[in-house]
Amino acid sequence: RKEVEQDPGPFNVPEGATVAFNCTYSNSASQSFFWYRQDCRKEPKLLMSVYSSGNEDGRFTAQLNRASQYISLLIRDSKLSDSATYLCVVILAGGTSYGKLTFGQGTILTVHP
Amino acid sequence: DTAVSQTPKYLVTQMGNDKSIKCEQNLGHDTMYWYKQDSKKFLKIMFSYNNKELIINETVPNRFSPKSPDKAHLNLHINSLELGDSAVYFCASSHGTVLNTEAFFGQGTRLTVV
Repeated sequence: RKEVEQDPGPFNVPEGATVAFNCTYSNSASQSFFWYRQDCRKEPKLLMSVYSSGNEDGRFTAQLNRASQYISLLIRDSKLSDSATYLCVVILAGGTSYGKLTFGQGTILTVHP
Repeated sequence: DTAVSQTPKYLVTQMGNDKSIKCEQNLGHDTMYWYKQDSKKFLKIMFSYNNKELIINETVPNRFSPKSPDKAHLNLHINSLELGDSAVYFCASSHGTVLNTEAFFGQGTRLTVV
């Protein structure tokens, strides 16, 4: 079983749509959770951290369910510029993890006019 | 100023050659990483260094040898290149011991072995 699993998509949605991505992780000792975004032929960049209480940043909402080991990202009112690959990322705490990011395989989103 | 910079951006080389990729960060981070992104776009960690000490080595062939001369630099040397080494290699840095720390990535080195 992969450490972090995502539905690879692709998701093709019209502008203005709401789209949700899901992610599951296998290690219950995971402590930090993120969504990164990667544009085509570019490096990954942090989109947002994910907290247990859930958090929102403009049109983006992230949720964490530790009991189910599940992370989600909701994008409202999709824009053309949201087209990218969205990467679910998990970090184990302590030991020799030293901030080692474990990535899901990414979910491809294409927003069309 | 570029936070994490790696060179070269593109590298095309023949099988059997030896090549190096350089990485530098100016963020004052204590931890640096090398990630490999394969043709399926999956990002997998190769190495991690904390304060110049090797912390993570994810069963990478010993043809790959990282070197960290100081906290701000982490270079990757690859011996006897093989076709399967073709990928995009990303350098990254972070405050490794801080929870919820953001990792910053370089722009990637696209390695093609022919």
